[in-house]
Amino acid sequence: AQKVTQAQTEISVVEKEDVTLDCVYETRDTTYYLFWYKQPPSGELVFLIRRNSFDEQNEISGRYSWNFQKSTSSFNFTITASQVVDSAVYFCALASGGSYIPTFGRGTSLIVHP
Amino acid sequence: SQTIHQWPATLVQPVGSPLSLECTVEGTSNPNLYWYRQAAGRGLQLLFYSVGIGQISSEVPQNLSASRPQDRQFILSSKKLLLSDSGFYLCAWSVAGFDEQYFGPGTRLTVT
Repeated sequence: AQKVTQAQTEISVVEKEDVTLDCVYETRDTTYYLFWYKQPPSGELVFLIRRNSFDEQNEISGRYSWNFQKSTSSFNFTITASQVVDSAVYFCALASGGSYIPTFGRGTSLIVHP
Repeated sequence: SQTIHQWPATLVQPVGSPLSLECTVEGTSNPNLYWYRQAAGRGLQLLFYSVGIGQISSEVPQNLSASRPQDRQFILSSKKLLLSDSGFYLCAWSVAGFDEQYFGPGTRLTVT
């Protein structure tokens, strides 16, 4: 069985603040894949990143960065210098097991105030 | 490039009426296809997925069904809608199960 926990239901920040969205996962498989998606108010989910279990290297893409730590089963997402356009619901997901059908966390709603 | 289409964008249906939501993908062959529902509270619930024509796996028993009559067409149906079927329905595709998914714009269904 696989599980994803996003303990933060909602986070509210002021523009230019840094913010970290937490994601903790559970799986018994040694091969698995982790994802982050963004759902803006329009509703369509947008893929942000995928990591496999054998690559713990952190990733940076502009103001976005991801910290993958197998020791704590976490895959956290940090937005540096947040902007109003970052306001959205962010989902973490895990795919493992034979079918690799992903399990999504419940999402974290990020509100960035101007 | 690949594109995913979903329609209609919004739908208001009375209880007991039938439902048909369609999803099509362009620019790829033999994709994995998925139907999700997102009710109030944001969580994504996987309803069905398909790895090929005529191959449908159901994740949650309910009054909905899915079909894949063509390689890049995925249809979500119901014979009789319930109030609890209201929600935001999202179709998605991926190359394989462990690949990232690409989502359609969604259909907002309100059952009255």
